[in-house]
Amino acid sequence: EPEVTQTPSHQVTQMGQEVILRCVPISNHLYFYWYRQILGQKVEFLVSFYNNEISEKSEIFDDQFSVERPDGSNFTLKIRSTKLEDSAMYFCASSDRGAYQPQHFGDGTRLSIL
Amino acid sequence: QKEVEQNSGPLSVPEGAIASLNCTYSDRGSQSFFWYRQYSGKSPELIMSIYSNGDKEDGRFTAQLNKASQYVSLLIRDSQPSDSATYLCAVAGGGSTLGRLYFGRGTQLTVWP
Repeated sequence: EPEVTQTPSHQVTQMGQEVILRCVPISNHLYFYWYRQILGQKVEFLVSFYNNEISEKSEIFDDQFSVERPDGSNFTLKIRSTKLEDSAMYFCASSDRGAYQPQHFGDGTRLSIL
Repeated sequence: QKEVEQNSGPLSVPEGAIASLNCTYSDRGSQSFFWYRQYSGKSPELIMSIYSNGDKEDGRFTAQLNKASQYVSLLIRDSQPSDSATYLCAVAGGGSTLGRLYFGRGTQLTVWP
């Protein structure tokens, strides 16, 4: 069964450093998302992406965050200058037919900021 | 602020019983409703989706939606110890929030043998 893959599974970074989290969505999917989950808290939406541009972003997704689809398969989330509070699980998700269709999640990247 | 509320539990049922999980949401414009299962330290795994009022059955799982009451539920019949996980209710809002999922905090379910 097709799945969303994310790398790395765990990233440890010093505060202030840049990190790039990578995702390969399901191949025929067109809508891409990033969510995060701080330990013990609910899953929170960061950004949605369609047709090579951001569709929507949350209040969490400030100027330190950016997303890119550099080629036909990868979808990346960059955090420019990490903060301690960026420590969380980051999940990539994709869906095939858009706004109201089920989103399939990758296994996540655990980001730890020291 | 669009809210999704779930009973945090924990909910504990014996093997073979029916587990009932509930969810309410605040945005009347919501269009799509999903149940995800999340094992500890893992990612959300889609179990059910429901879009119109009524019941939708898939194997041991039944999702129920009542848009007038802004209420979604998930029934798990013949519960198994492997069903022990946190169940997340997620709602896709209408209006300007197309596609964005709002999640509840989840209900932790334990099925004991």
